Amino acid sequence: QKEVEQNSGPLSVPEGAIASLNCTYSDRGSQSFFWYRQYSGKSPELIMFIYSNGDKEDGRFTAQLNKASQYVSLLIRDSQPSDSATYLCAVNEANQGGKLIFGQGTELSVKP
Amino acid sequence: GAGVSQSPSNKVTEKGKDVELRCDPISGHTALYWYRQSLGQGLEFLIYFQGNSAPDKSGLPSDRFSAERTGGSVSTLTIQRTQQEDSAVYLCASSLASGIQETQYFGPGTRLLVL
Repeated sequence: QKEVEQNSGPLSVPEGAIASLNCTYSDRGSQSFFWYRQYSGKSPELIMFIYSNGDKEDGRFTAQLNKASQYVSLLIRDSQPSDSATYLCAVNEANQGGKLIFGQGTELSVKP
Repeated sequence: GAGVSQSPSNKVTEKGKDVELRCDPISGHTALYWYRQSLGQGLEFLIYFQGNSAPDKSGLPSDRFSAERTGGSVSTLTIQRTQQEDSAVYLCASSLASGIQETQYFGPGTRLLVL
């Protein structure tokens, strides 16, 4: 059973701090990694994707991938109350086209 | 442009009834996915369609669940003889193709409550 694991949280950080969200996956053949943000009662929206080992930065967001450790993370710098949401890690299932396996999500709360 | 749309937005039904959920993908998107999200849980893959290929049904939880996609566009997810454990948000997503680097765009979901 291929799995994607995330701490469910809640993760609470003060406004302006760095929030660090972590995800591990079991399928060594996975090649694509996605972070989605989901506000309460809403559908997921893509924040970032990463395919290669290392860091990828987009504004206040940085995704980090380490395939050897089967670990992917999302850093949010200068966290804002509007970042408060559930963050879902998704990993493609090897040799299954675009099929994604989702983690259960980490709830982030940014306190003003 | 229009995003993924789903209908109905909410559905309340009685145990044992059949329900149909509809998804209209983004125009031009060839891949379409159905997921289920139970309260406080991540997304559970159900089924996906890519063009005219046979769908990947590996995530359907039982033979009460079925889905079709007509004309390579609109999709309908049907749940027969609904059970209370079927209560969840059913999310549809589409992508331009089904490659590993394709982004999936989600619809607003259908909230199903089985009484």
